[in-house]
Amino acid sequence: DAKTTQPNSMESNEEEPVHLPCNHSTISGTDYIHWYRQLPSQGPEYVIHGLTSNVNNRMASLAIAEDRKSSTLILHRATLRDAAVYYCSQGAQKLVFGQGTRLTINP
Amino acid sequence: DTEVTQTPKHLVMGMTNKKSLKCEQHMGHRAMYWYKQKAKKPPELMFVYSYEKLSINESVPSRFSPECPNSSLLNLHLHALQPEDSALYLCASSQVLAGVPAGELFFGEGSRLTVL
Repeated sequence: DAKTTQPNSMESNEEEPVHLPCNHSTISGTDYIHWYRQLPSQGPEYVIHGLTSNVNNRMASLAIAEDRKSSTLILHRATLRDAAVYYCSQGAQKLVFGQGTRLTINP
Repeated sequence: DTEVTQTPKHLVMGMTNKKSLKCEQHMGHRAMYWYKQKAKKPPELMFVYSYEKLSINESVPSRFSPECPNSSLLNLHLHALQPEDSALYLCASSQVLAGVPAGELFFGEGSRLTVL
């Protein structure tokens, strides 16, 4: 199965940008890169996905390395509500989640 | 309507019981998924249905039996479970693109199962 690696935890301050890294060492040419987040007591929530180009949406930006072996999820101004576990993943039909990064936001 | 609804939210069952988890979506999605999530671990894929047909079974034990009676409903029938099967069971749905389940997954809040 496709594997991604992420730091176990990260911490940031409110209203500052946050850069969450992910390594996609086994990614294939047709695999999309996905990011989801999971707030306590909730199911995962879609954040963003992309294939080769950087992507922006209302929640975040996704920067994809040229060789696609790594990606970075960027939260431009973190809020307390962004505290969650962030999962990166790769694939299409079979979406396998990485171990996740627990993001803590300090007021 | 962008919701995936799962029932029950909590379920406690003995090892000899038979119970079912239910999932419903009305987004017109033709792919539906079951994931299992243990505490402080990522969700693990169990089954994928595409157009009401099972397309992926991740070598799940037969005591878990999925069923997709129509495009809006997904069930997970449980029988003779073990205490280690206690977990949060998540349902999700997505579009099917070019014949393959793909795109954004919409998750329900999950059913928390405790096996005694």
